[in-house]
Amino acid sequence: GDSVTQTEGQVTVSESKSLIINCTYSATSIGYPNLFWYVRYPGEGLQLLLKVITAGQKGSSRGFEATYNKEATSFHLQKASVQESDSAVYYCALSGQVVGQLTFGRGTRLQVYA
Amino acid sequence: EAAVTQSPRSKVAVTGGKVTLSCHQTNNHDYMYWYRQDTGHGLRLIHYSYVADSTEKGDIPDGYKASRPSQENFSLILELASLSQTAVYFCASSAGTGGYQDTQYFGPGTRLLVL
Repeated sequence: GDSVTQTEGQVTVSESKSLIINCTYSATSIGYPNLFWYVRYPGEGLQLLLKVITAGQKGSSRGFEATYNKEATSFHLQKASVQESDSAVYYCALSGQVVGQLTFGRGTRLQVYA
Repeated sequence: EAAVTQSPRSKVAVTGGKVTLSCHQTNNHDYMYWYRQDTGHGLRLIHYSYVADSTEKGDIPDGYKASRPSQENFSLILELASLSQTAVYFCASSAGTGGYQDTQYFGPGTRLLVL
């Protein structure tokens, strides 16, 4: 079946430093899945951060960006300069062949300190 | 702004008891979903629905029932709650599947503790 791997469970970064959260995927049900990053702030539900549906393209939102790399089956999330308000849990996900189904990674908790 | 609400936000249940989690969306979306999340794991799909009065099984449906009485409402029912069902439950909705329609909008989650 489809799977999404986020290797880091937690990342701690100093404010204004750069960030990369790794995401790789395996999509056996569909050749070109849609790829997503969702974010969950404390006390809130998941909300869409960015989405890319075409291989080779980059999505961006709120200073974050991620590129759909079909060859490497990766969709890493990057930000040049993080802020304390970016502290949250970030989930990588893909939508495959099965109707409506999103497959999620385990999430990466980002802690930004001043 | 898309809106999905869940009730209750947290619940403590006893083993063997019945639990009903409710979800309401005002997005006018056809698709609704129930996920559970266990600590350190991603969300896993329990049940989903693409039309009122019909539900479909997701990846982990055992021990759960779902009900979709209207387009706006989707419930998750634990007839005999067990310790292993302690988790955070998320409801979501989407306009459709594939392309630009499969973005799911999530509720805030329900934290369920079964004792």
